[in-house]
Amino acid sequence: QQQVKQSPQSLIVQKGGISIINCAYENTAFDYFPWYQQFPGKGPALLIAIRPDVSEKKEGRFTISFNKSAKQFSLHIMDSQPGDSATYFCAASGGFQKLVFGTGTRLLVSP
Amino acid sequence: DGGITQSPKYLFRKEGQNVTLSCEQNLNHDAMYWYRQDPGQGLRLIYYSQIVNDFQKGDIAEGYSVSREKKESFPLTVTSAQKNPTAFYLCASSATASNQPQHFGDGTRLSIL
Repeated sequence: QQQVKQSPQSLIVQKGGISIINCAYENTAFDYFPWYQQFPGKGPALLIAIRPDVSEKKEGRFTISFNKSAKQFSLHIMDSQPGDSATYFCAASGGFQKLVFGTGTRLLVSP
Repeated sequence: DGGITQSPKYLFRKEGQNVTLSCEQNLNHDAMYWYRQDPGQGLRLIYYSQIVNDFQKGDIAEGYSVSREKKESFPLTVTSAQKNPTAFYLCASSATASNQPQHFGDGTRLSIL
């Protein structure tokens, strides 16, 4: 119940395309769903986060879609750029459960 | 600038040796965390602290120890009991321990000599 399953493990997208990363969870007590972006040799940085009272949140080119009934949420990166090449982690927390991370998606945006 | 400082960036441990990783924050956050990152396994919680002089074990605490004597500092000791210490260690902090954004340092990479 503590797991957050993330897919795909790696993703290659052409410049200008849409990158989509998916996560699924089981613990219905989760009520905070952040996405982190990590560059090599650096710590993760908070990208965008959503709470289950909304189905979508957009910040610039980054959008989180949230499906409470399916217990799934996804990150969409519109107009993907080479500078977006990084590893992305979804995470979830809620109730007494501390933040649980997915296993990460390595995104490569080809020029 | 506010943030989290981890040191050293690289650390080497000899067999049977304890090593201590430093984590300092000037964000005035109450909660601090230590994670271990291995390839393909995401981030796993080692220890966390919600307040000074108090800390709790995370999912993989065996072979590690921490202290929280000051609000801004949360050092992690990797003991000789940790048989597979080679990893990237990340420290984070948040305003509270519940559903608040966590801010990360840039990590310490620990290797075995």
